[in-house]
Amino acid sequence: GQQVMQIPQYQHVQEGEDFTTYCNSSTTLSNIQWYKQRPGGHPVFLIQLVKSGEVKKQKRLTFQFGEAKKNSSLHITATQTTDVGTYFCAGNGGATNKLIFGTGTLLAVQP
Amino acid sequence: EAQVTQNPRYLITVTGKKLTVTCSQNMNHEYMSWYRQDPGLGLRQIYYSMNVEVTDKGDVPEGYKVSRKEKRNFPLILESPSPNQTSLYFCASSLREKVAEAFFGQGTRLTVV
Repeated sequence: GQQVMQIPQYQHVQEGEDFTTYCNSSTTLSNIQWYKQRPGGHPVFLIQLVKSGEVKKQKRLTFQFGEAKKNSSLHITATQTTDVGTYFCAGNGGATNKLIFGTGTLLAVQP
Repeated sequence: EAQVTQNPRYLITVTGKKLTVTCSQNMNHEYMSWYRQDPGLGLRQIYYSMNVEVTDKGDVPEGYKVSRKEKRNFPLILESPSPNQTSLYFCASSLREKVAEAFFGQGTRLTVV
């Protein structure tokens, strides 16, 4: 079945450093979504990418969707302590019409 | 306020004792789903529903049941809970399955002893 993997599983950075998480799907995706889950909280929608090669920015966050629509990345410039949490990608693809979540990347930011 | 409401937030139960986790959304969303979250495994879909009386299995449906008698409610039923169902559960809803953001409930932390 369709699988969505994320790397790294965990990353610890100093405040001000950059951070990137990568998402890879075993199948072509029709779209990719990104969510953030604060510690003790629930996933909250950040953004959705639909087009091949699409790049979107939200302040310090940059999201990319690969040309083959099988991978995506989230890059955070100059991390802040408010960026702490787990970042999930989620994709629609294949014949099953299901939204499949990645394994998530836990980001820790040291002040 | 648009929201997805889950109850209870925390539950400790014993093996074999039937339980229901309720989920309700006030956004008139067609699509609802249940996920379980376990360390290192991300969010895995248990069941989903594309509309009233339409439900289907997700990736990890064993040991769970759902029903969708009304558009706003999507309860998760554990007929005979076992310790391997100890997990953090999330209900989510969206306007439609594809190309639509999912709104999550606050989560239910279930412990089965």
